[in-house]
Amino acid sequence: SQQGEEDPQALSIQEGENATMNCSYKTSINNLQWYRQNSGRGLVHLILIRSNEREKHSGRLRVTLDTSKKSSSLLITASRAADTASYFCATDAGTGGFKTIFGAGTRLFVKA
Amino acid sequence: GAVVSQHPSWVICKSGTSVKIECRSLDFQATTMFWYRQFPKQSLMLMATSNEGSKATYEQGVEKDKFLINHASLTLSTLTVTSAHPEDSSFYICSAPRPSLIAFEQFFGPGTRLTVL
Repeated sequence: SQQGEEDPQALSIQEGENATMNCSYKTSINNLQWYRQNSGRGLVHLILIRSNEREKHSGRLRVTLDTSKKSSSLLITASRAADTASYFCATDAGTGGFKTIFGAGTRLFVKA
Repeated sequence: GAVVSQHPSWVICKSGTSVKIECRSLDFQATTMFWYRQFPKQSLMLMATSNEGSKATYEQGVEKDKFLINHASLTLSTLTVTSAHPEDSSFYICSAPRPSLIAFEQFFGPGTRLTVL
């Protein structure tokens, strides 16, 4: 099962521009995470935001969380060609356990 | 940081054969591990929860007799795709959670690409 949808499904931008990806989820959560995946490769953990946090930064990444709307956004500033990848949000689906449920993902393409 | 390994990284097999994929947590013990499947250009779909010392828990729509899971020790879970068919060709990824004080960290293996001819 998947937790929710991501928007847009695909995004193409020029190097240097900012990229914003949105994620919506269905159930209550304890935390939300963002991952990156290069084509055909494993996952890279980017950032975790807890349900009582509203915003978190890590380098060129900014993540926001709005639990009232059950949504999160990932902003990548000053994008680089190397940022080209698929980005997924994932939640614990409020299970209280260790399950991680993924959203549909956004495929980002950064043109040099 | 914690590392989760998978073996093999890729496998090609004939239709009707069984394929075993191993998932190991290298520097921590994992009583629970998870198996995901990912088709091209799609997201990761959770298949099952592997529980050390007990039966695996399968997600809705996943055939337990098709995908056999054995959590033999605190650092090893195996997924066996039985009587594989071309539609089972996919990228299989395992993960192992490691609790921390505030939440848990989910460590993912590098994935195994299965191609069934």
